[in-house]
Amino acid sequence: GENVEQHPSTLSVQEGDSAVIKCTYSDSASNYFPWYKQELGKGPQLIIDIRSNVGEKKDQRIAVTLNKTAKHFSLHITETQPEDSAVYFCAASGKTSYDKVIFGPGTSLSVIP
Amino acid sequence: NAGVTQTPKFRILKIGQSMTLQCAQDMNHNYMYWYRQDPGMGLKLIYYSVGAGITDKGEVPNGYNVSRSTTEDFPLRLELAAPSQTSVYFCASSHRGGYGYTFGSGTRLTVV
Repeated sequence: GENVEQHPSTLSVQEGDSAVIKCTYSDSASNYFPWYKQELGKGPQLIIDIRSNVGEKKDQRIAVTLNKTAKHFSLHITETQPEDSAVYFCAASGKTSYDKVIFGPGTSLSVIP
Repeated sequence: NAGVTQTPKFRILKIGQSMTLQCAQDMNHNYMYWYRQDPGMGLKLIYYSVGAGITDKGEVPNGYNVSRSTTEDFPLRLELAAPSQTSVYFCASSHRGGYGYTFGSGTRLTVV
């Protein structure tokens, strides 16, 4: 089955710097790659997603890139702010199977003011 | 707009006790999911449902049961609680299978 790896597990950056989180997946049939942000004491919240027919997607300070050949995708956060501090999860999903939304183990991002 | 509501927020159970974690959504989503979250392990799918009356197992279903009698509700049942079930449980729903989940705020369960 699908396996999603995520690096790094923890990341500290200075406010205003960029942060990059990288994920790899194993199932070449996966075609949907969402990213979720989880703030302390809350449930994960979808922040951006990308489909396999797109190489890059951007939403304000957040961007995601996808390399299907290498089976990896990344989250880029520019001009980080303290409110970006959270745990970020990448995930991969297949075309039809609801039980194949597999999450990575998460990255704890700390933005230091 | 309530979204996905989970109750209770916290619970302590003794080994062997039973309980039901409640989940309700008001977005008319057909797809609903239960995940557990353990430190450093991400989210593991326990059970999911594609509509009222239809449920199926996820990655880690042992020790749990679910039912889906209405579109809105998707309760998770623990019959004989074990320490290994200590975790944070999240319910989620989506309009399309696997896409754009809305999560609840979670239930923190401790089994002692």
